[in-house]
Amino acid sequence: AQSVTQPDIHITVSEGASLELRCNYSYGATPYLFWYVQSPGQGLQLLLKYFSGDTLVQGIKGFEAEFKRSQSSFNLRKPSVHWSDAAEYFCAPPDYKLSFGAGTTVTVRA
Amino acid sequence: GAVVSQHPSWVICKSGTSVKIECRSLDFQATTMFWYRQFPKQSLMLMATSNEGSKATYEQGVEKDKFLINHASLTLSTLTVTSAHPEDSSFYICSARQLKAGTGRYNQPQHFGDGTRLSIL
Repeated sequence: AQSVTQPDIHITVSEGASLELRCNYSYGATPYLFWYVQSPGQGLQLLLKYFSGDTLVQGIKGFEAEFKRSQSSFNLRKPSVHWSDAAEYFCAPPDYKLSFGAGTTVTVRA
Repeated sequence: GAVVSQHPSWVICKSGTSVKIECRSLDFQATTMFWYRQFPKQSLMLMATSNEGSKATYEQGVEKDKFLINHASLTLSTLTVTSAHPEDSSFYICSARQLKAGTGRYNQPQHFGDGTRLSIL
């Protein structure tokens, strides 16, 4: 079965520091993968998506993610975090029958 | 593009009443919409898949008669919580998948509404 896992439940980072959120997948074939962000009390916003081709994907809000088949990972990164990046982040496959992962809560400290 | 509007954003009502939540795709057609429920500090739980012109597909454990879903057009799906009780209080989120010609169904991301905070007194 296809699945994704986010090993980190909660990450705290200082404003201006770099951020990396982990996402591991278990797929037989090349997966389609998405990263979403959810601000408190709001719906989810698509940050970026990976289908195939270039393994480094650029998204909105300065985020990028790198697909690494050898590590079965699709980690999300941002070089310099802003206080507004405090939110819940979800890595997800496109198959709607699969529940979203647990998500990673990002706290940004001044 | 790909905007999904969800209304209302917040509703408070008495126990026993029914509440309708609307989910609209504003600038695209969505043959499939999804309804999720989210508890505090938890991930999204898929409740049902809404297909335009046909009956919704409910996930295991979700009461069909409790959560009525109607997808009457390619841009509108509604979720009605019937005879709501305090345990139905939650954050409900809808999403829609845009179906583009020439692409696989799984190539498209879901576009989410801003959610509805439902509080039953």
